[in-house]
Amino acid sequence: AQTVTQSQPEMSVQEAETVTLSCTYDTSESNYYLFWYKQPPSRQMILVIRQEAYKQQNATENRFSVNFQKAAKSFSLKISDSQLGDTAMYFCAFMNYGGSQGNLIFGKGTKLSVKP
Amino acid sequence: GAVVSQHPSRVICKSGTSVKIECRSLDFQATTMFWYRQFPKQSLMLMATSNEGSKATYEQGVEKDKFLINHASLTLSTLTVTSAHPEDSSFYICSPTRTANTEAFFGQGTRLTVV
Repeated sequence: AQTVTQSQPEMSVQEAETVTLSCTYDTSESNYYLFWYKQPPSRQMILVIRQEAYKQQNATENRFSVNFQKAAKSFSLKISDSQLGDTAMYFCAFMNYGGSQGNLIFGKGTKLSVKP
Repeated sequence: GAVVSQHPSRVICKSGTSVKIECRSLDFQATTMFWYRQFPKQSLMLMATSNEGSKATYEQGVEKDKFLINHASLTLSTLTVTSAHPEDSSFYICSPTRTANTEAFFGQGTRLTVV
């Protein structure tokens, strides 16, 4: 069974600085997707970034980028130029490749606080 | 993008009563529906998976007779919490998906409080 581990329950960062959230996972599959989701106080799940395991290039979305290390099964999220609106819970998630069987397996989350 | 509508957003019910939560995919056909539960300060845990027109598959520890799932159409699925108890108080989130999905879409969630 797949597992996702986020070892940082809470993190804080000063506004405009950079922060990295850690995530490791365990799977025997070779094809899969990895995600970072943001859950603000509204609790709506918001996709931050997605990585396909077969792609070696790290995904980037504006201020958000990942460091995907497939052999090490590591998938960290870097947030640059942190903004107050980035304050939220961040969940790392794994999804098997393969169509409609793709439920997400989530880590326990990291609570990020951006301080002014 | 994918638009998902989940209702109600909040509900308070008395112990022993039933509550129905609706989840609609507004601009795509959801062949599969995932229902997650999130307890306070915890992560999302998969409760059940349903395919349109078929019986739902429940995760270990989730009572199928308590959490009734209906997925009668490709755009609507419902979760009914029957004979609710205070320990059922939680945040419930639906996630409809389509065939060969490459990402997940989520409803806005329902905060259920059983008093």
